[in-house]
Amino acid sequence: NAGVTQTPKFQVLKTGQSMTLQCAQDMNHEYMSWYRQDPGMGLRLIHYSVGAGITDQGEVPNGYNVSRSTTEDFPLRLLSAAPSQTSVYFCASSRQGGSTGELFFGEGSRLTVL
Amino acid sequence: LAKTTQPISMDSYEGQEVNITCSHNNIATNDYITWYQQFPSQGPRFIIQGYKTKVTNEVASLFIPADRKSSTLSLPRVSLSDTAVYYCLVGERSSASKIIFGSGTRLSIRP
Repeated sequence: NAGVTQTPKFQVLKTGQSMTLQCAQDMNHEYMSWYRQDPGMGLRLIHYSVGAGITDQGEVPNGYNVSRSTTEDFPLRLLSAAPSQTSVYFCASSRQGGSTGELFFGEGSRLTVL
Repeated sequence: LAKTTQPISMDSYEGQEVNITCSHNNIATNDYITWYQQFPSQGPRFIIQGYKTKVTNEVASLFIPADRKSSTLSLPRVSLSDTAVYYCLVGERSSASKIIFGSGTRLSIRP
């Protein structure tokens, strides 16, 4: 049972480069989301999706794009990486949004932008 | 979404009961209270959820007073492995609502 799978686990980028963080879940969850966590801080919501074809902005969406073409996948795209985007990124999924139950997290993707 | 306030950090010792209180003065009628635990270098994991009074599972208990403006996560007989960050979330049971985390409480357990 894979749960939520994130790739890559580690990535180093140069300023201005673009990349995509992949997230896939095999639990048929409707709700998926991306968070970033800076050292010593809590999690901040970047973007979320309540179902295939539906996405919306979270607390800190600038500099990131998402799409949800399938229930399983929710990639996060960095359009032009900046040092301020150095962080650990977590993808999470839940059966539904809101507080309906358990949110399952991936192992995280550690991104460094030089 | 109701904003939550938690202590930034707490210290305790092995074998003690630890109570972490979360304030949510603006909680709405349909809001539920959920607690997550996060170990270093890992994503958070669900601990417990409740609406009112008391909820207990194999890991923790959640106490919610009648006015629901606060809640207390109780960890019985903590061990070193309970050292983690604990997040209190308040949100509506709506499938369209986003899930927001606050800053959490950093719990340190000493031998």
